[in-house]
Amino acid sequence: SQTIHQWPATLVQPVGSPLSLECTVEGTSNPNLYWYRQAAGRGLQLLFYSVGIGQISSEVPQNLSASRPQDRQFILSSKKLLLSDSGFYLCAWSGGVSDEQFFGPGTRLTVL
Amino acid sequence: GDSVTQMEGPVTLSEEAFLTINCTYTATGYPSLFWYVQYPGEGLQLLLKATKADDKGSNKGFEATYRKETTSFHLEKGSVQVSDSAVYFCALSDHNYGQNFVFGPGTRLSVLP
Repeated sequence: SQTIHQWPATLVQPVGSPLSLECTVEGTSNPNLYWYRQAAGRGLQLLFYSVGIGQISSEVPQNLSASRPQDRQFILSSKKLLLSDSGFYLCAWSGGVSDEQFFGPGTRLTVL
Repeated sequence: GDSVTQMEGPVTLSEEAFLTINCTYTATGYPSLFWYVQYPGEGLQLLLKATKADDKGSNKGFEATYRKETTSFHLEKGSVQVSDSAVYFCALSDHNYGQNFVFGPGTRLSVLP
């Protein structure tokens, strides 16, 4: 069966520090991968999606970037965090015979 | 483009009350429709889905019927429990545009004992 992992689960970082969040998927190949952000009490904001290795589409211009160095690995990065980057970051995948998205457990990021 | 609209929350109900959360959509293709649930501090979980008109998705006492004529996919449950307190997201996947997913803004449900 397929599983999706995210780490770390929680992170507290100072303003201006770098960021690296990792997402990996097991049990499937060539998935579509997604990064979402959810601000407190708000809905989902799609940040990036990827249909293959090295292929990244950005939905919202900001100081974040994404990379897909391997088929089942998706990384969200920033060189310098802003206070407004605080939120709950969710990774998801889709593909195969199912048409739904499957979500990871999320990373809670607090920027101080 | 495609869009999903949900009723604004929060919704507060007493235990055993009837629940309806409205969801309507616009899509140029023939989308699949989903309800996801998010419990506090967790990721989203698929609650139910429907892939074509008149399909009914059901799970854990929740139901939703794909109504093409009204472009709706309302979520219902006959008797809610405290454990149903969560945020509910309506979503669509439009196959005519690859894996294009669109989520509604979410509706927070609080069930009081």
